[in-house]
Amino acid sequence: AQTVTQSQPEMSVQEAETVTLSCTYDTSESDYYLFWYKQPPSRQMILVIRQEAYKQQNATENRFSVNFQKAAKSFSLKISDSQLGDAAMYFCAYKDNNNDMRFGAGTRLTVKP
Amino acid sequence: SQTIHQWPATLVQPVGSPLSLECTVEGTSNPNLYWYRQAAGRGLQLLFYSVGIGQISSEVPQNLSASRPQDRQFILSSKKLLLSDSGFYLCAWSVLAFSYNEQFFGPGTRLTVL
Repeated sequence: AQTVTQSQPEMSVQEAETVTLSCTYDTSESDYYLFWYKQPPSRQMILVIRQEAYKQQNATENRFSVNFQKAAKSFSLKISDSQLGDAAMYFCAYKDNNNDMRFGAGTRLTVKP
Repeated sequence: SQTIHQWPATLVQPVGSPLSLECTVEGTSNPNLYWYRQAAGRGLQLLFYSVGIGQISSEVPQNLSASRPQDRQFILSSKKLLLSDSGFYLCAWSVLAFSYNEQFFGPGTRLTVL
């Protein structure tokens, strides 16, 4: 079964600095998708960034970028120029063509002013 | 544009009482629909998903059930709530036509069982 592991329960970053959140996954599939979701205190799940496994180029969305290492099954999220509004729970997620999305346990990010 | 609604936003129910949570999606047709539960400070657990009207797949055996009476309506139910049913319930939708088949979430329902 596919599993997603986020080894950092909590992380903190100084405002305007850069932080990297880790995610590893386990799968035997070759075609799949990876996502990072943000859950602020409102608990609304917001899609931050997404990556297709066959694309070698790392996805970027403004201040958010990923480091996708397919062989290592690693999918880390980098947040540059951190802002107070980035404080939230961040969930890494995996999905393949079986209509089944798996989430990691989450990383709580604190942004210090 | 697509929107997803969940209600109620919060619910406090006694043990043994019934439950009905509703989720509706607007602006899309034939979506895949999902129910997740999130315990406090934890990740998301997939409970049910549906690829069409009347088609429900259960991921976790429990005293909850789901139904899809209409294309864009997904209902989570229980005949008798347990204390362990407390949590935050999220509904999500996806459409195969989207290249990444990503899921989009509703605002959630916070359920407290006393």
